[in-house]
Amino acid sequence: QSALTQPRSVSGSPGQSVTISCTGTSSDVGGYNYVSWYQQHPGKAPKLMIYDVSKRPSGVPDRFSGSKSGNTASLTISGLQAEDEADYYCCSYAGSYILYVFGTGTKVTVL
Amino acid sequence: QVQLQESGPGLVKPSQTLSLTCTVSGGSISSGSYYWSWIRQPAGKGLEWIGRIYTSGSTNYNPSLKSRVTISVDTSKNQFSLKLSSVTAADTAVYYCARVPRRTYDSSGYYFDYWGQGTLVTVSS
Repeated sequence: QSALTQPRSVSGSPGQSVTISCTGTSSDVGGYNYVSWYQQHPGKAPKLMIYDVSKRPSGVPDRFSGSKSGNTASLTISGLQAEDEADYYCCSYAGSYILYVFGTGTKVTVL
Repeated sequence: QVQLQESGPGLVKPSQTLSLTCTVSGGSISSGSYYWSWIRQPAGKGLEWIGRIYTSGSTNYNPSLKSRVTISVDTSKNQFSLKLSSVTAADTAVYYCARVPRRTYDSSGYYFDYWGQGTLVTVSS
């Protein structure tokens, strides 16, 4: 099972919107509505930002939103803020054999 | 609020067995509402799911590591543990423990809601 494909980096100015893509296959992203997204600051543990494609845990700003179309999921950060600069990883359920597959990770830079 | 904390040796020799423990506080590991998982991240690289365990002791492992991994649970200590045998330099990574909410309608879990801070394990002679 290969890792899900994410762009290496994306960037935007404060207040702008950025979108991170996460491309898999019909065996993972396309086959289930169980994509989650994690934010990771340097030297810190990942933090859950989105689950079940588009649901936000309590405490996560509504600037973060998720969606999915076919085999590609997306995370959009609207109104970009300096503290959003971090690495972001997607993760998809991939069935009862593999269970979980992570993305390659995307570095978000706030210009 | 639940907290997870990894512990164990930071240095392991090649061919030996890596052993880590995750201590859960602020909630019972026996509640039945969660799976408990291990995930690792080599320096500068992405995340890799290792495996998970339920309070009953039922386990699931990443097929790529299955032959070398054992995850166990000690409900009396509110801990779960990871053993990875025959380690090589490729197993050098930060190891995280994490919680997975279990859905009652299908008994599965689909995301990691709480994570430990991580512990670096280096494989070197």
